[in-house]
Amino acid sequence: AQSVTQLDSHVSVSEGTPVLLRCNYSSSYSPSLFWYVQHPNKGLQLLLKYTSAATLVKGINGFEAEFKKSETSFHLTKPSAHMSDAAEYFCVVSGGFTGTASKLTFGTGTRLQVTL
Amino acid sequence: DVKVTQSSRYLVKRTGEKVFLECVQDMDHENMFWYRQDPGLGLRLIYFSYDVKMKEKGDIPEGYSVSREKKERFSLILESASTNQTSMYLCASSRTVLSGNTIYFGEGSWLTVV
Repeated sequence: AQSVTQLDSHVSVSEGTPVLLRCNYSSSYSPSLFWYVQHPNKGLQLLLKYTSAATLVKGINGFEAEFKKSETSFHLTKPSAHMSDAAEYFCVVSGGFTGTASKLTFGTGTRLQVTL
Repeated sequence: DVKVTQSSRYLVKRTGEKVFLECVQDMDHENMFWYRQDPGLGLRLIYFSYDVKMKEKGDIPEGYSVSREKKERFSLILESASTNQTSMYLCASSRTVLSGNTIYFGEGSWLTVV
C-alpha cells in the first residue's frame, strides 16, 4: 500500500522569498516520487522526479526537492518565489504494481499564492 | 515534446446524455490514462489502457467506460451522464508502466452535467 500527504493545502509567500511545499509519503516499495505543477485551467506539468539516483533532485524553473528516506519526505523548495509560480502543486508517489501498471498515488494538492 | 490533446475543453451536457471525451497523444506511448480531478480529492484514476483494445479499471470506474481502437487515441465514455460526474477530466500517457516513468497530461476537459 502507498499514500502521500501534502501537509499544507494552501501556502502564501511574498515574491522573492523562499518556497517550501511539504510532502510525506508511505510505500511498501522503493518509491519513485514526482512533483507536478498545474496552472489555472491547464493540465499537469512535471517539475521534477526522484527515481533512486541522487537524493537531491533539481527541476525546472529553479525548483528542487530532497528525498529523505528516514523522514519519508520529499519536500519541494525554491530559493526565491516569482509571481509566475502561483499555481497548484501535486506530490505523487509511484511504486509497486496493480494489475499491469505501476500505481500512482496523488496528493490532494497545495495551492501556492505569491504576493507582491 | 510530448503532446497530449484533449479536443473538448469545455462541455455542458444534460443528465442522461451519452458523453464522449477524446484524447490523442503523438509520442507512440503504450499507456494512456483517464483521471478525474475534484477539489480536495486530488486526481483519481478512472481507467487506463496499456495497449490497443486493452484496458484496466482504476479506482473509480463506475459510470464510465473506455475505448482504445488505435494506439494514439483513448476515449472516455459516460453512457448516461449524471450530475455527480460534473468534474475536470484529465487524459495522460506514458511510455511504459514502470515505476518512475513520467506521465504526460493533457490540458483537461471541464464537463458540467445539468
